[in-house]
Amino acid sequence: DAGVTQSPTHLIKTRGQQVTLRCSPKSGHDTVSWYQQALGQGPQFIFQYYEEEERQRGNFPDRFSGHQFPNYSSELNVNALLLGDSALYLCASSLFSGTGREKLFFGSGTQLSVL
Amino acid sequence: GESVGLHLPTLSVQEGDNSIINCAYSNSASDYFIWYKQESGKGPQFIIDIRSNMDKRQGQRVTVLLNKTVKHLSLQIAATQPGDSAVYFCAENRPRGNQGGKLIFGQGTELSVKP
Repeated sequence: DAGVTQSPTHLIKTRGQQVTLRCSPKSGHDTVSWYQQALGQGPQFIFQYYEEEERQRGNFPDRFSGHQFPNYSSELNVNALLLGDSALYLCASSLFSGTGREKLFFGSGTQLSVL
Repeated sequence: GESVGLHLPTLSVQEGDNSIINCAYSNSASDYFIWYKQESGKGPQFIIDIRSNMDKRQGQRVTVLLNKTVKHLSLQIAATQPGDSAVYFCAENRPRGNQGGKLIFGQGTELSVKP
């Protein structure tokens, strides 16, 4: 049973460029959340997708956008990259329960470096 | 503001001793808490969770205690092993009706186990 998989594992971009990160959820899960983790910090919530729609969003600018596909996989897009966007981007999947309490399973992340 | 914080950023223990990692949260409306372990180069790994209607929950070698009066959460690891060395995060789930919650992470505590 595959867990959460993310690609690529590492990525180097320059300021102003655009990047797309990809995530496949754990088998049986239907919800995908994205987090940004700066060095030495805890993960920060970016947004969550369920039924191909953005369900919740954290305090991130519109440069951060996402998509969920019918097979539940997801993409995170960041436009006009800034140096401060350098971080580990984590994808987490869960199974929608309707209770508001869902256990998240994380992938190993994509390490993005913006030069 | 909303936050989940940890009292100690680093903790060093001797192999075989018990470890206690503490966490404070600020939002009394949160009803679900999770502890994650993150090893270098990996994503956060689920350890144990607890709902706000409980005071204590035990797993294999781990116990989570919740004190809602003072908004405090702790993770106890029995007979700490070198493989327990990692950064530990507490996370607070902020539900939004039945649309699922989002996890608010603390800064993390680095646990170092000395042989």
